[in-house]
Amino acid sequence: DGGITQSPKYLFRKEGQNVTLSCEQNLNHDAMYWYRQDPGQGLRLIYYSQIVNDFQKGDIAEGYSVSREKKESFPLTVTSAQKNPTAFYLCASRGGAPGELFFGEGSRLTVL
Amino acid sequence: GQNIDQPTEMTATEGAIVQINCTYQTSGFNGLFWYQQHAGEAPTFLSYNVLDGLEEKGRFSSFLSRSKGYSYLLLKELQMKDSASYLCAVRDLDSGNTPLVFGKGTRLSVIA
Repeated sequence: DGGITQSPKYLFRKEGQNVTLSCEQNLNHDAMYWYRQDPGQGLRLIYYSQIVNDFQKGDIAEGYSVSREKKESFPLTVTSAQKNPTAFYLCASRGGAPGELFFGEGSRLTVL
Repeated sequence: GQNIDQPTEMTATEGAIVQINCTYQTSGFNGLFWYQQHAGEAPTFLSYNVLDGLEEKGRFSSFLSRSKGYSYLLLKELQMKDSASYLCAVRDLDSGNTPLVFGKGTRLSVIA
């Protein structure tokens, strides 16, 4: 079945460590997005990519990095420079008209 | 700037009707989306409005007034499973892959 797969679902990290969250889609979508969700907050955009080998910073890109070497894959690295990385991370891709986003199941990162 | 406002919480009775409002102020407008998100899960697409008026889809309807920067989601014949957060999101530019800007969400509790 077509969809978006995020892994891992739960991740624990020690302070000072980098971690990479995986996002894979088999929907043949060009555009992919990473959002962060905190309790009581809406979804905030970290990075997005409209096409392979291209990506743009969102509203809260500091302390994060991404790559888009393949259409299917858009991994997010949470670096040690991110001051408050504990959050729920959602990856999405954009479908055809009307252009709604399809979300993965999310990755919950906890920094110990 | 971009600003999307929704009530934080609402409570309604099983079998009743509830209206969740959303007001937005964005630099442009190219569509408004509603998503449903159950606790700990990914958002799922509910509806899309780009022209003024009402879009009906089963028990859910969504209304848009572009001149007022206003939308609402109407849920009829409420069921317990409708207890979730409802996210209003706007695409504010004409570029098809422009990321959606999300409100903070409205947490709806359906009680017996």
